[in-house]
Amino acid sequence: DGGITQSPKYLFRKEGQNVTLSCEQNLNHDAMYWYRQDPGQGLRLIYYSQIVNDFQKGDIAEGYSVSREKKESFPLTVTSAQKNPTAFYLCASSIWAGSGNRETQYFGPGTRLLVL
Amino acid sequence: AQKVTQAQTEISVVEKEDVTLDCVYETRDTTYYLFWYKQPPSGELVFLIRRNSFDEQNEISGRYSWNFQKSTSSFNFTITASQVVDSAVYFCALSENSGNTPLVFGKGTRLSVIA
Repeated sequence: DGGITQSPKYLFRKEGQNVTLSCEQNLNHDAMYWYRQDPGQGLRLIYYSQIVNDFQKGDIAEGYSVSREKKESFPLTVTSAQKNPTAFYLCASSIWAGSGNRETQYFGPGTRLLVL
Repeated sequence: AQKVTQAQTEISVVEKEDVTLDCVYETRDTTYYLFWYKQPPSGELVFLIRRNSFDEQNEISGRYSWNFQKSTSSFNFTITASQVVDSAVYFCALSENSGNTPLVFGKGTRLSVIA
């Protein structure tokens, strides 16, 4: 089945530790995105990538890093610099039409990150 | 700058009632796209509808309908004869064709349908 997978479903981080969240898609989409969701809040964009080996910061990129070495994969690392990482993280992907932002984003099931 | 406001934080209805979720947006672009997503308790966002700024026709899909009015910058979502399975958080989102941020979300409306 085509879709977006995220792993793990739950992740625990110790103080000062970097952790990496996985996102894989087999939809042949060009663009991928990472969002953070806090309780009672909408989704806020962390990073996005339109093509392999290229990515842009979103609204809340500080304390996070990404890579895009393969079209199918867009892992997110939550670094120790992110002081309040507890949140629900959602990955999405879409077709990239070359210009503009008009394509629909499809979402994975999410990863819940908790700090010990 | 683009902005989406969902003024209703939480709504509770009894099963079979109709319910309307409000969405008001702000944008300077003449070309933009509006979306609704559903987030059930499992957490995954489910895409419901995408509408571009040049198409103001209302749309109906089963028990769901959407009312797009550019004059009031609103894109409201109505569920007819609500069911318990409709209980979820619903997000409205906006994408400007020339904006730097691909998609901006409202804060969501939590809908509880009581049997």
